[in-house]
Amino acid sequence: QKEVEQDPGPLSVPEGAIVSLNCTYSNSAFQYFMWYRQYSRKGPELLMYTYSSGNKEDGRFTAQVDKSSKYISLFIRDSQPSDSATYLCAMSEGTGGFKTIFGAGTRLFVKA
Amino acid sequence: NAGVTQTPKFRILKIGQSMTLQCAQDMNHNYMYWYRQDPGMGLKLIYYSVGAGITDKGEVPNGYNVSRSTTEDFPLRLELAAPSQTSVYFCASSSTGVGANVLTFGAGSRLTVL
Repeated sequence: QKEVEQDPGPLSVPEGAIVSLNCTYSNSAFQYFMWYRQYSRKGPELLMYTYSSGNKEDGRFTAQVDKSSKYISLFIRDSQPSDSATYLCAMSEGTGGFKTIFGAGTRLFVKA
Repeated sequence: NAGVTQTPKFRILKIGQSMTLQCAQDMNHNYMYWYRQDPGMGLKLIYYSVGAGITDKGEVPNGYNVSRSTTEDFPLRLELAAPSQTSVYFCASSSTGVGANVLTFGAGSRLTVL
């Protein structure tokens, strides 16, 4: 069993739809949870960063962490064609990228 | 402010050749990392450094070497290239403390070994 599981997709939605992207994990020691967005042939860029359980909202994006279920989600409201990218979840027990485990990424296509 | 700069962007190597991927950051970050990204496999950590003169192995270090003589630069050396090293390589950096999990990535170096 992988430490972090993420459905690779692809996920195709119409413009304006609400998108839900998810990851499950097995290590209960994970405390820090991140979502990165990666456009084609570019490096990943940090989208959301949360500590422990709860919700965090930033514009059209909401990150949720449910530590009891070992499940994290990223919601995108009013999706736009510019949201078409691969979304990588990442999580860590402590601080430092050397402790970070990445999911395989979900490819999202938003159709105009 | 360039962030993290990687060169070259693309390279084709023959089996057994060697090369160095260059990485430089201008954010005065102490932590630097090299990852490889293969389709469907996510990002795998090759090597990392917590400061000049200090390096350590990540999850997949075999076939690679690194050095960190300055805060800014973190080159990755491939010795005796093999087809299994065909991948996209990303260099990243982060600060210390609460910012240590916030990785800034370069644009990537796409390597093909034939």
